[in-house]
Amino acid sequence: EVQLVESGGGLVKPGGSLRLSCAVSGFTFSNVWMTWVRQDPGKGLEWVGRIYSKTDGGTTEYAAPVKGRFTISRDDSKNTLYLQMNSLKIEDTAVYYCTADIGRWVFSGGDTNWSLDWGRGTLVTVSS
Amino acid sequence: DIVMTQTPLSLSVTPGQPASISCKSSQSLLLTDGKTYLFWFLQKPGQPPRLLIYEVSNRFSGVPDRFSGSGSGTDFTLKISRVEAEDVGIYYCMQTRQLPYTFGQGTKLEIK
Repeated sequence: EVQLVESGGGLVKPGGSLRLSCAVSGFTFSNVWMTWVRQDPGKGLEWVGRIYSKTDGGTTEYAAPVKGRFTISRDDSKNTLYLQMNSLKIEDTAVYYCTADIGRWVFSGGDTNWSLDWGRGTLVTVSS
Repeated sequence: DIVMTQTPLSLSVTPGQPASISCKSSQSLLLTDGKTYLFWFLQKPGQPPRLLIYEVSNRFSGVPDRFSGSGSGTDFTLKISRVEAEDVGIYYCMQTRQLPYTFGQGTKLEIK
C-alpha cells in the first residue's frame, strides 16, 4: 500500500524555521522526482518546488516566493523527503503536501512504478 | 508564469445531470515532445487532491468513465456526463508545461 505521510508542521513566529518531512512507502522512492505543494487554508493550490531523483542529479527548483528561504532534500535510504523552511513569513501559512512530480511522470512516459498519490498534508501556521 | 483561469468558480448540479468546467491557460501547454501538460484534480472535503485526468484527456487509474477531458493549446474542458453525489468537491486544473507549475483557482461542485 502506498503511503505518503507529512509531519513537522506547527505554529511558528515570523522569521522562524521549521523542517517538514514526508515519509514514503509502497513505491520505489529513489527513482521518483518529488514535489511540495501548499494550500492556504480555504484557498487554492501553489507549487513550492521539486527535487530530481539522485540518478538524474538531485537538482532542486523552487517557486519564486520561497526561493532562497526553503530547501528541499531527500534521504533515499530513509525513503523520506524534506522541506527546510527558514525566514518564515505570515504568507507561508498553509497545509503542505508532498507528491510525485506529475509533469516529470508524463515526460518520462508514465512509469508505472511511480505513485501519484498525495499525502494528507501538514499544517504550518506562521503567526506572532 | 502561466496563468490558469477556470470557469465557473462554482456550480450546483442535480444528480444525473451533466457538468462542465473550463480551464484556459495564458500560454500553450503543448511541449515539443508532442504532449500537452494539462491535468485535472478533484479535492473532496477534508482530503488531499486526487488526480483525475492527465495529458488533457487520459483518465487516471480508477477514475470513473463519466469523467472526460478535452481541449488543446490553451483551452481545456472537464466534463462529467452524469453527476453523482460523490463528485462533490473542488476541481482544479494544473499545468506542468513550464516551471513554476500552476493551478487554476478551483471550481466548487455542489449537488442540488
